[in-house]
Amino acid sequence: KQEVTQIPAALSVPEGENLVLNCSFTDSAIYNLQWFRQDPGKGLTSLLLIQSSQREQTSGRLNASLDKSSGRSTLYIAASQPGDSATYLCAVSLRVEYGNKLVFGAGTILRVKS
Amino acid sequence: DTGVSQNPRHKITKRGQNVTFRCDPISEHNRLYWYRQTLGQGPEFLTYFQNEAQLEKSRLLSDRFSAERPKGSFSTLEIQRTEQGDSAMYLCASSPSGTLSYNEQFFGPGTRLTVL
Repeated sequence: KQEVTQIPAALSVPEGENLVLNCSFTDSAIYNLQWFRQDPGKGLTSLLLIQSSQREQTSGRLNASLDKSSGRSTLYIAASQPGDSATYLCAVSLRVEYGNKLVFGAGTILRVKS
Repeated sequence: DTGVSQNPRHKITKRGQNVTFRCDPISEHNRLYWYRQTLGQGPEFLTYFQNEAQLEKSRLLSDRFSAERPKGSFSTLEIQRTEQGDSAMYLCASSPSGTLSYNEQFFGPGTRLTVL
């Protein structure tokens, strides 16, 4: 059974710091890995998708890496801002009959202090 | 707004009542997913449709839960005889057809259910 773990569970940093969020998964047979952002009481916003054959993806101040063989991904946020405060979720895409499903970690709650 | 929409956004009900939620996916997305999220946890997969066919159901989806996607457009999720343990955020996502390695799921705002 695929299990996804995110470390740390919570993180508080001063504005301007660079930070790294970690995600690990137990089964390397994945289609892709997605990082999401979730604001309190809201739905999920997709940040980055890394295909299983890729090593990293970048979008603005965000960079996500994937090491499928070791079952790890990191999300790097450069020059953090108070508006980055949210819960960050990683999810791996697994095969189901005729399609796929996402298996999520419990998330990292990020607070960026001004 | 061309994103995934869900209605209602909030639902408060008494234990034992039936509730129904609606999801409208991004137009032309033929894949639709339902997930459930409890406080402090990541979402958990419930069920998956490709067009109108329900192709996968989680063991979390007890016989009190039923989902439909008539005509392959919007979807409904019904919970019968609600229990307090059903209180959660119910999330819908959709994705286009195509290569699964690049299958990006787009989520709606969710329906928060509170069972009293």
